[in-house]
Amino acid sequence: DAKTTQPPSMDCAEGRAANLPCNHSTISGNEYVYWYRQIHSQGPQYIIHGLKNNETNEMASLIITEDRKSSTLILPHATLRDTAVYYCIVRFSTSGTYKYIFGTGTRLKVLA
Amino acid sequence: DAGVIQSPRHEVTEMGQEVTLRCKPISGHDYLFWYRQTMMRGLELLIYFNNNVPIDDSGMPEDRFSAKMPNASFSTLKIQPSEPRDSAVYFCASSSEGVGNTIYFGEGSWLTVV
Repeated sequence: DAKTTQPPSMDCAEGRAANLPCNHSTISGNEYVYWYRQIHSQGPQYIIHGLKNNETNEMASLIITEDRKSSTLILPHATLRDTAVYYCIVRFSTSGTYKYIFGTGTRLKVLA
Repeated sequence: DAGVIQSPRHEVTEMGQEVTLRCKPISGHDYLFWYRQTMMRGLELLIYFNNNVPIDDSGMPEDRFSAKMPNASFSTLKIQPSEPRDSAVYFCASSSEGVGNTIYFGEGSWLTVV
């Protein structure tokens, strides 16, 4: 199973960019990288995903290295409401089906 | 779309009682996942279904846990008998087949076993 490694916690000043790193050195060629976040104990919320190209949506940007062994989630202008646990996961296939294994995530605290 | 719907949202039960958690996935989704979250162990995948068939139940902690998906719009996770260490938030999630499709979570069922 492809696993991910993230720092346990990070702080970011409100209004600044939050850059959350993730290592997934065992990722294989057809496995996607997904980012989710969880606020308090609500259900995890989808943010963005990618395969090899950088991606951007209304919430964030995802930068994936050329060798695909790591990625960075960028929240361009962090707000207090972005305080949450951020999970980087790799969706991998087994026997033709897919599953998502969550790691321990990064607890991001946005400071006023 | 209403999203993934779980019930009950909160349940407090006594040790030894049977607990049944319910999930309605997003219409059209053919994958359904059950996760458990605790402070100690984080988010654990318990079991997942594809087209109503259980694919991988290796995360189910023991025989006291069972999950069923009788049709495409309903799944249950049952604990019998329940124990205090089963206290956790149980999340159901669903997704659809295809490359790059995302998984959507329900709001969870908070279980406390006393």
